[in-house]
Amino acid sequence: EIVMTQSPATLSVSPGERATLACRASESVRTNLAWYQQKLGQAPRLLIYHATTRATGVPARFSASGSGTDFSLIISGLQSEDFAVYYCQQYNKWPPWTFGQGTRVEI
Amino acid sequence: DVQLVESGGGLVKPGGSLRLSCAASGFTFNNVRMSWVRQVPGKGLEWVGRIRSKTEGETTDYAPPVNDRFIISRDDSKNTLYLQMNGLKSEDTAVYYCARDYDYFDLWGRGTLVTVSS
Repeated sequence: EIVMTQSPATLSVSPGERATLACRASESVRTNLAWYQQKLGQAPRLLIYHATTRATGVPARFSASGSGTDFSLIISGLQSEDFAVYYCQQYNKWPPWTFGQGTRVEI
Repeated sequence: DVQLVESGGGLVKPGGSLRLSCAASGFTFNNVRMSWVRQVPGKGLEWVGRIRSKTEGETTDYAPPVNDRFIISRDDSKNTLYLQMNGLKSEDTAVYYCARDYDYFDLWGRGTLVTVSS
């Protein structure tokens, strides 16, 4: 199965700053990659699919890039509601679809 | 509202069985694939399995840890997805989410907790 590795495990940032989260695949997933946000006690929420496309209702401060094995999620001007855990997921090769272990964005 | 609502979680002994349900509303359920994803409390996400739509043959696929123990089904007349879990193990303890599946998951339920313990 494809292993997804996220870094860093925890990212400490201040409100208003920019956060850059990384996700690396053990083999190419082309652009078949999604990003999710999960707040404490809540279900995951889709942010990005096809590596760069924002899901409906996702603010423009969330952007993403990458293809092949290396991907990034950028949150510009962090707001208080953005502090959460972020997961990447590949859907290029299955089964199974696989997720990264998550990056916690904290104040 | 477009939503998914899981139910059926609880405490079960190792080796036991449990059936989870996921009620869908606000969208055309019978046209979409559906998946189950689980999360050990405090840990990451793990895809469990999926079922395709009736027009795609309602075929299913499972992650290796649950293959031959879990069965996913759907009742489009009730807009409901099911997860039959048999031969439960302690490592199956998790919150189980149902999700609308476009290979990525664009709609999630709030989850139901399954605890496998003697």
